[in-house]
Amino acid sequence: QKEVEQNSGPLSVPEGAIASLNCTYSDRGSQSFFWYRQYSGKSPELIMSIYSNGDKEDGRFTAQLNKASQYVSLLIRDSQPSDSATYLCASGGNTGKLIFGQGTTLQVKP
Amino acid sequence: ETGVTQTPRHLVMGMTNKKSLKCEQHLGHNAMYWYKQSAKKPLELMFVYNFKEQTENNSVPSRFSPECPNSSHLFLHLHTLQPEDSALYLCASSSRDRDLQGYTFGSGTRLTVV
Repeated sequence: QKEVEQNSGPLSVPEGAIASLNCTYSDRGSQSFFWYRQYSGKSPELIMSIYSNGDKEDGRFTAQLNKASQYVSLLIRDSQPSDSATYLCASGGNTGKLIFGQGTTLQVKP
Repeated sequence: ETGVTQTPRHLVMGMTNKKSLKCEQHLGHNAMYWYKQSAKKPLELMFVYNFKEQTENNSVPSRFSPECPNSSHLFLHLHTLQPEDSALYLCASSSRDRDLQGYTFGSGTRLTVV
């Protein structure tokens, strides 16, 4: 069973801090990795994608991938209350099908 | 507007009713998906269509019946549902020939079975 594991949280950080969200995956054949943000009652929204080992930065967001450890993370710098949401990690292989984790709930407190 | 439109946004139906969920994508994608999202659970893949052909059915009960008349439209026909089928049903699309692009989700249909 191919799985993506995330700590469901909630992860609580103060406003302005760095939020660190983590994810592990079981399928070594996974080639692509995604972070989705889902606000309560809304649909998931793609915020980051990463395909190679290392870091990828986009504004306040940094995705990190370590294929040897089968580990993906998302760092959110200068966290804002508007970042409070559930963050879904997903992995994909050459089938085009994504496997999603259960999501981590982030709470950013003013 | 995400480029993937789902209707209705909310649906309440009795266990003996028949209803349909509709999904339309305007992104030129050639793969479409139905997912179920229940509280405290990961997204559950239900059906996959590539170039309007069903390529995956994840052991979904027959009371859920998908239909994909073309690459832009996807339906989920519902009949004799159970209360445990109450969930958020999400449609997504992707470009099958660009596997690394991720999915675009619709806004979902919140289904309540009474």
